[in-house]
Amino acid sequence: GQQLNQSPQSMFIQEGEDVSMNCTSSSIFNTWLWYKQDPGEGPVLLIALYKAGELTSNGRLTAQFGITRKDSFLNISASIPSDVGIYFCAGLVGNEKLTFGTGTRLTIIP
Amino acid sequence: GAVVSQHPSRVICKSGTSVKIECRSLDFQATTMFWYRQFPKQSLMLMATSNEGSKATYEQGVEKDKFLINHASLTLSTLTVTSAHPEDSSFYICSARVTGGVPLHFGNGTRLTVT
Repeated sequence: GQQLNQSPQSMFIQEGEDVSMNCTSSSIFNTWLWYKQDPGEGPVLLIALYKAGELTSNGRLTAQFGITRKDSFLNISASIPSDVGIYFCAGLVGNEKLTFGTGTRLTIIP
Repeated sequence: GAVVSQHPSRVICKSGTSVKIECRSLDFQATTMFWYRQFPKQSLMLMATSNEGSKATYEQGVEKDKFLINHASLTLSTLTVTSAHPEDSSFYICSARVTGGVPLHFGNGTRLTVT
């Protein structure tokens, strides 16, 4: 099935650094979602975006729904060890099935 | 918040046997549940959409006779992998949607290993 292009594929950062990742699509979505997945577990919702141009924060996380409705970004400020994991964007048209991004693996270098 | 429970979390079975995975919405009713498969280091790929009281809708390339889905109640959907083979080994994850809502809630996944 279709997937969204997510970049970067992986990131190696030091604790305390800010992180930025984005997701692009050739199709328009009405809703953008950002999830985090820890090893061996299901994805956990971080932020949901429902309107083009919307900028939403959840603690140290900030995400934006692109004006074209074909992209979204997620920023994490002042990273901490528990931020390690895989981040997925997901797009939705209407109330139907999600299309997932290819994922960004975040690693914190000690 | 809404919770989705998946059982079992891990299962090992022999080639040729069938395995059933359960997905339950614990504190809400879900008319629609989604089943995903995730291979190592890859993203989640939708396998099928499970609708309460009707037949599931399968994505292209997913064999409906191999992956049997039953959504008999508003809180339970099951995925049965029939005649499992080693290539079916994967991480299976379900998602449930509150009626009329966005599919936000995922189970913790089931790691299937077929030997």
